[in-house]
Order: sequence, then structure tokens, then C-alpha cells
Amino acid sequence: NAGVTQTPKFRILKIGQSMTLQCTQDMNHNYMYWYRQDPGMGLKLIYYSVGAGITDKGEVPNGYNVSRSTTEDFPLRLELAAPSQTSVYFCASSYPNGREGRYEQYFGPGTRLTVT
Amino acid sequence: AQTVTQSQPEMSVQEAETVTLSCTYDTSESDYYLFWYKQPPSRQMILVIRQEAYKQQNATENRFSVNFQKAAKSFSLKISDSQLGDAAMYFCASTTGTASKLTFGTGTRLQVTL
Repeated sequence: NAGVTQTPKFRILKIGQSMTLQCTQDMNHNYMYWYRQDPGMGLKLIYYSVGAGITDKGEVPNGYNVSRSTTEDFPLRLELAAPSQTSVYFCASSYPNGREGRYEQYFGPGTRLTVT
Repeated sequence: AQTVTQSQPEMSVQEAETVTLSCTYDTSESDYYLFWYKQPPSRQMILVIRQEAYKQQNATENRFSVNFQKAAKSFSLKISDSQLGDAAMYFCASTTGTASKLTFGTGTRLQVTL
């Protein structure tokens, strides 16, 4: 299993541009998440999904959109990029049921985004 | 809103010694999970240890153990026989509400010296 994969690894955007951060997991996890990590800070939840077709906002959703058309993919869309969106973005997935390891989140390697 | 507090921005430990990283949390939930994640310079988030709130016994994973004080809402991480490879940022996190969402602390940077 590749686990959780994210593309791209790095990206520089100009103010006002748009882009999509890709996230794919091959563990058949129901739950998927997007977090951002600002310099020197912990991770904050942007959006999450409990299954295909179901998404919901996290703590810091403004300026972002998501979709979940399949179990495997959970792309994050940035519209009209702003310098405040400069951050490292992590995608994660989880298998929340009674099995051992429930609630553990598996993280992708992250995408470093700079908006100038 | 749920909060997780790590009051030690940086800690230092000598190789082979023991160090304890502190974490406190605030939750109104009865069923929750607590985690310690390690983030080395590669940025990868690596699960170190997990504690189920309904279990009284403290979790252990090899050189890593926790001191879980439910009433005090405290969840500290003890690293024994510290190794150079333990140097990293350590984040404490707790599950929040439904869908196992995580709330993270701001992290503790651990340095390991010879």
C-alpha cells in the first residue's frame, strides 16, 4: 500500500491564482481530512469527509473548497489564493470502526504552498 | 471549543537520558482518544502513541510511554533512553466530536544532545 499520497510536494502561486491539491489513499478508509500547518504552529482542520459525497467544514474553511466523489480521492481547491494561505497542507485518512487502530489518522507527506 | 495546550516550546535531553513532554487538553466529551505525533524535519507526521480515554492503564510503546491523568486532563509523553533520532517536533492531539477530527497542540521541539 502507498498509504496517503499528495501532489504536488511544492508549489508557488501568485495572489489571485487558483489550484487544486490532490490527495489519494489506497487503504479504503472512509474518513478523510485536510489540515494546514502554519510556521511554528500545530495543524488546523480545514475540511473533512466521512464518505463519498459527504463533506463538512473544519476550523479554518474560508478560501477553500473540497469534493469527495470517490472513497480514494479528496482534492482541496484554493480559489483566489492569498498570502495568508501560505502554509503546509496535510491530507489524512482514518478507518473509524471497532477495529484496532480506530481513530488513528494516517497522514500524507504534505504540500508546501507559498503565495506571493 | 476543544483546546490542546503544550506549554513547552522547546526541550533538550542528553542521549540515553529520559525526558517528559507535557500536554493538557480541554474537552466535554466522554469518549475520546489522545495521541502523540512526531514530526521530523521531513515533515511526515508519525504516530508515536495512542491512549483511549476509557482505559485507565497508561499506554506504552517500547521507549515511549504516557502519563494519562483523566481528571486533570493531562497527557504527558515520556521518552526513555533518548536517541538522536528522537529529535523532532512532537504534537499532542485529541479527537473532537464526530468523525475522529483531531485538535492539535502547538508542538514541542525536542533536541537530543550527545
